[in-house]
Amino acid sequence: DTAVSQTPKYLVTQMGNDKSIKCEQNLGHDTMYWYKQDSKKFLKIMFSYNNKELIINETVPNRFSPKSPDKAHLNLHINSLELGDSAVYFCASSQSGTAQETQYFGPGTRLLVL
Amino acid sequence: AQSVTQLGSHVSVSEGALVLLRCNYSSSVPPYLFWYVQYPNQGLQLLLKYTSAATLVKGINGFEAEFKKSETSFHLTKPSAHMSDAAEYFCAVRGSNYKLTFGKGTLLTVNP
Repeated sequence: DTAVSQTPKYLVTQMGNDKSIKCEQNLGHDTMYWYKQDSKKFLKIMFSYNNKELIINETVPNRFSPKSPDKAHLNLHINSLELGDSAVYFCASSQSGTAQETQYFGPGTRLLVL
Repeated sequence: AQSVTQLGSHVSVSEGALVLLRCNYSSSVPPYLFWYVQYPNQGLQLLLKYTSAATLVKGINGFEAEFKKSETSFHLTKPSAHMSDAAEYFCAVRGSNYKLTFGKGTLLTVNP
């Protein structure tokens, strides 16, 4: 009964490859997010979708493309992977319209680009 | 725009001692403030949140935080540290644009 789940948990790949990370939430939330945590543990938002519409798009290379097929899923596709993409990627979800819109996080996907 | 400053990237305490993790924020709108904890190789877990209902907020695992508007602070405390509290702690502020802005985190180590 995991609230926010991500697959895969670990991903090791070569430079130049294309990979996808999937996220699913069963909380009934309408907003989902992708965050990147670098090697120094700094967390920064990348994208946010509300009801399948992109509402936050931070300065992220075009190689990163999020897709939300429905409110419960938000996937992240990365083209032409680079060494600097190595990080932990967290998915989160929240319900808009509530006072604090608490975000609930998935367990993370640890991406290592060789 | 909003920002968060966590003073001290590493805090070390003895088991049973007081835990104090500092967080100062900047926000152009009344803030919603959060503390999250990240155990090694795990995701972020919500500890507590401030939503303007009460300035002293109690969270899970015996943690609490006090919102002080005059000091723009939201420090996290726990009266008595346990070994299991060793983790990375993140303070975050949410502004008007849905975005959560995180501090750089404070690593808490608990010595026996």
